[in-house]
Amino acid sequence: DGGITQSPKYLFRKEGQNVTLSCEQNLNHDAMYWYRQDPGQGLRLIYYSQIVNDFQKGDIAEGYSVSREKKESFPLTVTSAQKNPTAFYLCASSSDLPFTDTQYFGPGTRLTVL
Amino acid sequence: DQQVKQNSPSLSVQEGRISILNCDYTNSMFDYFLWYKKYPAEGPTFLISISSIKDKNEDGRFTVFLNKSAKHLSLHIVPSQPGDSAVYFCAASATPPGNEKLTFGTGTRLTIIP
Repeated sequence: DGGITQSPKYLFRKEGQNVTLSCEQNLNHDAMYWYRQDPGQGLRLIYYSQIVNDFQKGDIAEGYSVSREKKESFPLTVTSAQKNPTAFYLCASSSDLPFTDTQYFGPGTRLTVL
Repeated sequence: DQQVKQNSPSLSVQEGRISILNCDYTNSMFDYFLWYKKYPAEGPTFLISISSIKDKNEDGRFTVFLNKSAKHLSLHIVPSQPGDSAVYFCAASATPPGNEKLTFGTGTRLTIIP
């Protein structure tokens, strides 16, 4: 089955600790994205990557870091510098072919910082 | 600055009737629009899209209408079914689909009343 997997579904961390969220896709998509969802707000873009070994900051990149060493994987690290890390995090991917269906999303990881 | 706005946070519709979800945007560079459906604790799933060269796109029970002069789009679901109860996000892009950076609205929670 092709798709995007995010693990774990629920994650708890103590304040001040860095935490890395996993995102893997087997859709052979070039582009991958990380979003954050907070109650009453739309999805906000944290980072995106259009190709391996390259990524760009989104609208709310402060306090986050990413890497893209493999096409299939785009892990997100929530650092201790992120002031409000508790949120629902969504990973997505898309093909680079024009006029195809757009971003596919993973099931999400709910991060709670205690 | 919210470039994509969904002014109705919630909407209740009787089963079998038409559901109309609205979305307004301010960025005149947006030329591709999408609707996503999201269940709690899951990732959004792509529903339907429309390019700015069209004013209507239909897919089964779902139709999206675009009024470029008013910078307004709407999603019509007819007939509404209980499984349609979810949060619906409108999203917009200023580039052709594929590797696009999407800007999301805040979502509208649709509840279908049996």
